[in-house]
Amino acid sequence: GENVEQHPSTLSVQEGDSAVIKCTYSDSASNYFPWYKQELGKGPQLIIDIRSNVGEKKDQRIAVTLNKTAKHFSLHITETQPEDSAVYFCAASGGTASKLTFGTGTRLQVTL
Amino acid sequence: NAGVTQTPKFQVLKTGQSMTLQCAQDMNHNSMYWYRQDPGMGLRLIYYSASEGTTDKGEVPNGYNVSRLNKREFSLRLESAAPSQTSVYFCASSALAAQETQYFGPGTRLLVL
Repeated sequence: GENVEQHPSTLSVQEGDSAVIKCTYSDSASNYFPWYKQELGKGPQLIIDIRSNVGEKKDQRIAVTLNKTAKHFSLHITETQPEDSAVYFCAASGGTASKLTFGTGTRLQVTL
Repeated sequence: NAGVTQTPKFQVLKTGQSMTLQCAQDMNHNSMYWYRQDPGMGLRLIYYSASEGTTDKGEVPNGYNVSRLNKREFSLRLESAAPSQTSVYFCASSALAAQETQYFGPGTRLLVL
């Protein structure tokens, strides 16, 4: 089955700096890659997703890039703010099964 | 719209006890999912229901059973709870299969002593 690896597990940045979280996947048939943000005590919430026919997608301060050849995708957050502090999960879907496989999560802390 | 609701929010069980976690969605979604979240292990799929009347095993189904009661409701049952099932359980739903946005409930925190 699909295996998704996510790095780093924790990330601390100063307010205004950029943050980058990277994920790799194993199933070359996967074609849908969402990113979820989980705030303390809440369920995960989708923040951006990308499909395999697109190399990059942006939404204001958030962008995701996909390299299908290398089987990795990344989340970029620019001009970080304290409210960006949360746990972020990448996931992959498609291929032989219509279900999401999640990475292990990255705890992002934005300090003042 | 309440979205995805889960009950209870918190539960303490003794080893060997049984319980059912309830999940309901009001978005007319076809697909529903049960995940568990453990420190350092992300979200792992327990069972899912691609559509009303169907259920399939996920990555970690042992010790659990599910029922898709109708289009709105998807319950998770622990027949004989074990300490290894101490976790936070999330229910999610999506309009169609997993390549659509999944909407998560607030979670149920379960402690098995």
